[in-house]
Amino acid sequence: GENVEQHPSTLSVQEGDSAVIKCTYSDSASNYFPWYKQELGKRPQLIIDIRSNVGEKKDQRIAVTLNKTAKHFSLHITETQPEDSAVYFCAASPNTGNQFYFGTGTSLTVIP
Amino acid sequence: NAGVTQTPKFQVLKTGQSMTLQCAQDMNHNSMYWYRQDPGMGLRLIYYSASEGTTDKGEVPNGYNVSRLNKREFSLRLESAAPSQTSVYFCASSGDYGTANQPQHFGDGTRLSIL
Repeated sequence: GENVEQHPSTLSVQEGDSAVIKCTYSDSASNYFPWYKQELGKRPQLIIDIRSNVGEKKDQRIAVTLNKTAKHFSLHITETQPEDSAVYFCAASPNTGNQFYFGTGTSLTVIP
Repeated sequence: NAGVTQTPKFQVLKTGQSMTLQCAQDMNHNSMYWYRQDPGMGLRLIYYSASEGTTDKGEVPNGYNVSRLNKREFSLRLESAAPSQTSVYFCASSGDYGTANQPQHFGDGTRLSIL
């Protein structure tokens, strides 16, 4: 089955700096890669996603890049703000079966 | 639209007791999932249902059973609760099986403690 690894497990940045979280996957059949943000005590919520026919996608301060050859994808948050502090999860989903495989999460702290 | 609704939000059980966690979605999604979340472990799939009438084991199915009651509802049952099942349980649903994968939508979670 698919195996998703996520790094780093914790990340602290100063407000206004950028944050980068990286994930690798093992199954070349994976073609959909969502990112979720989970605030303390809340549900995971989708913040951005990318499909395998696209190399990069942006939404305001958030961007995701995908390298299919190397089987890795990354989340980039620019101009970080204290409200970006949360746990972020990456996931990979193969093109059949509609299963999702999650990374173990990155706890991001933005220091004011 | 309520999205994905889970009940109860909190529950405390004694070892050996049984209970059922309920989940319902109003987005007409075919696929539904149950995850458990433990500190440092991320989200681990217990069972999923790709469509009404089908269920499949995930990564950590032992000690659990599921029922896909209809398209809207997917329940998780603990037959004989054990302290190792203390966790936060999330239900999720996603778009049509067979089409391009769609993101999952999560419920608010059930915080379960087993003494």
